[in-house]
Amino acid sequence: QLVLTQSPSASASLGASVKLTCTLSSGHSSYAIAWHQQQPEKGPRYLMKLNSAGSHTKGDGIPDRFSGSSSGAERYLTISSLQSEDEADYYCQTWGTGMVFGGGTKLTVL
Amino acid sequence: EVQLVESGGGLVQPGGSLRLSCAASGFTFSSYWMHWVRQVPGKGLVWVSRINIDGSSTSYADSVKGRFTISRDNAKNTLYLQMNSLRAEDTAVYYCARESGDYVLNDYWGQGTLVTVSS
Repeated sequence: QLVLTQSPSASASLGASVKLTCTLSSGHSSYAIAWHQQQPEKGPRYLMKLNSAGSHTKGDGIPDRFSGSSSGAERYLTISSLQSEDEADYYCQTWGTGMVFGGGTKLTVL
Repeated sequence: EVQLVESGGGLVQPGGSLRLSCAASGFTFSSYWMHWVRQVPGKGLVWVSRINIDGSSTSYADSVKGRFTISRDNAKNTLYLQMNSLRAEDTAVYYCARESGDYVLNDYWGQGTLVTVSS
């Protein structure tokens, strides 16, 4: 069964970097994913697509501070030079027999 | 600029029906597959349904199969979700989302419309 696993929470200081992880379930390490950001009281915003080779394609207007990488079954979202507006929920997504979302990571900027 | 604007949400009694709409602009609507995704307030994103470019192929999450119907009107650049036999557990914000042209992933989202199922 295709499952995406994310840590429920993460925190980092203003101006620092943070790396969020999305882990694909066994047997699905070749899958591409998408990362989405959801700020409080807003709809999701697409950040990027990320394949198993670590190649990523960002959405319109997504700053260079956001980048993606991959290692095996893990897909990463790195945010550098953290700003207050980066405080949000971050979801990974992929497609199996239906669309699958990770449980989301709530990022707190200290 | 790509825009997706949902409407049609509101309060409905259990067992009732509601039709959501999603008006699309800023892209060639008829060239893209589209999705509905929902989110219980304070919880995560859950996929609901998907439709192909001409409406001839649809798929649904098991939780809504047989009760919800996705459709589209390419002449009006509008996506729909007909929701019947609504249950309390269908209460959520419903988002429409465009599917990327190369992967089965969403690359644009609407702002959502809240559906509340309660007596």
